[in-house]
Amino acid sequence: GQNIDQPTEMTATEGAIVQINCTYQTSGFNGLFWYQQHAGEAPTFLSYNVLDGLEEKGRFSSFLSRSKGYSYLLLKELQMKDSASYLCAVKDSNYQLIWGAGTKLIIKP
Amino acid sequence: SQTIHQWPATLVQPVGSPLSLECTVEGTSNPNLYWYRQAAGRGLQLLFYSVGIGQISSEVPQNLSASRPQDRQFILSSKKLLLSDSGFYLCAWSVRQETGELFFGEGSRLTVL
Repeated sequence: GQNIDQPTEMTATEGAIVQINCTYQTSGFNGLFWYQQHAGEAPTFLSYNVLDGLEEKGRFSSFLSRSKGYSYLLLKELQMKDSASYLCAVKDSNYQLIWGAGTKLIIKP
Repeated sequence: SQTIHQWPATLVQPVGSPLSLECTVEGTSNPNLYWYRQAAGRGLQLLFYSVGIGQISSEVPQNLSASRPQDRQFILSSKKLLLSDSGFYLCAWSVRQETGELFFGEGSRLTVL
């Protein structure tokens, strides 16, 4: 079966750095997405990786290793507003998105 | 710019009652449209997707149905709700199925009692 694994919950301190990991096992691969979802709201797009390596976008970076079936989202200079769930999703060989359950990130002052 | 709007935002319905959630997209033509359900602690579950008017693909057998009467309108319905239909429903659109990210509506919180 197809599977996306990410930690259920993580805690970090304001101003620090946190890395959220995602491992996947899918039938084919056509890109990996990271979304941010604040409580009670809809997900919003953060990043997209289709080739190996690091994609940097401001305070957020996303890394992909296709051979390892692994990605991480790196958040720097954490702010209280970064408290949210972070969803990892992979497009399989049929271009259907397979979603992880999300990682709830709690930021403490 | 493109926008997506869905309603109602919240609703509480008794078991056995009907359901209608609506979603509209503005600022783009012939979008791919999706209905997802999100249960607590679980990943987004794709319910239906549509690549054009009247073209609906169902991913999960259930008592829900979807329709696309116009290019930028997507409706999720049920004739008789079950307790297990409770959840957070999200409408989304994308430019093409193969590429690009999803853009989500605000979400609709359904509680079936």
